[in-house]
Amino acid sequence: NAGVTQTPKFQVLKTGQSMTLQCAQDMNHEYMSWYRQDPGMGLRLIHYSVGAGITDQGEVPNGYNVSRSTTEDFPLRLLSAAPSQTSVYFCASSPWRGGYTFGSGTRLTVV
Amino acid sequence: GENVEQHPSTLSVQEGDSAVIKCTYSDSASNYFPWYKQELGKRPQLIIDIRSNVGEKKDQRIAVTLNKTAKHFSLHITETQPEDSAVYFCAASDRETSGSRLTFGEGTQLTVNP
Repeated sequence: NAGVTQTPKFQVLKTGQSMTLQCAQDMNHEYMSWYRQDPGMGLRLIHYSVGAGITDQGEVPNGYNVSRSTTEDFPLRLLSAAPSQTSVYFCASSPWRGGYTFGSGTRLTVV
Repeated sequence: GENVEQHPSTLSVQEGDSAVIKCTYSDSASNYFPWYKQELGKRPQLIIDIRSNVGEKKDQRIAVTLNKTAKHFSLHITETQPEDSAVYFCAASDRETSGSRLTFGEGTQLTVNP
C-alpha cells in the first residue's frame, strides 16, 4: 500500500491563479480531510469527507473547494490564490474507528 | 465547535527524564483523543490514541490518560531519548457524529537534551 499520496510536494503560485492539490489513498478509508499548517497555529481543518459524494466545511474553508467522487480521491481546489494561503497542506485519511494517516504534505507559496 | 488547548508550547528535558504534555477540550461529546508526533519537515504520525471508555492507555514508554469529567487528557513519555525530540499534537473529536472533524491543539515542541 502506498498509503496517502499527495501531489505536488512544492508549488509556487502567483496571486489570483488557481490550482488543484491532489490526494489519493489506497486503504479504502471512509474519512478524508484537508488540513493547513501554519507556524504556531497547529493543524486547521479546511474541508472533510465521510464518504464518496459527501463533503463538509471545516474551520477555515474560505477560498477552497473539494469534491469526493470516489473513495480514493479527495482533491483540494484553490479558486483564486492569495498570499494568506501560503502554507503547508496535509491530506489525511482514516477508517471509521481508526487514526489518521497523513500524506507527506504540499508546501505552497503564493507570491 | 470543539476547542482544544495544549500546554506547554515548548518543553525541554534531559535525556532519561519524563515529559508530560496536557490538553483540555471543550466539547463534552468528544470521545476520541489521538496524539501525533511531527518531526521537522515530516508529516504528523499517530503515536497513541484513547477513547472515552478508557481512562489510561500505555504503549511502551508512552502513555495517555483521560479525565472526562474535567475534560482533559495528557501524554506521558518516560525515559526520554533524543529521538523523542519533535512537535507533539493532541486532538479531539466526536467520532460517532462528526466523523473526521478532528480538532488539533497548537502543538508542543519537545526537546530532549543528551
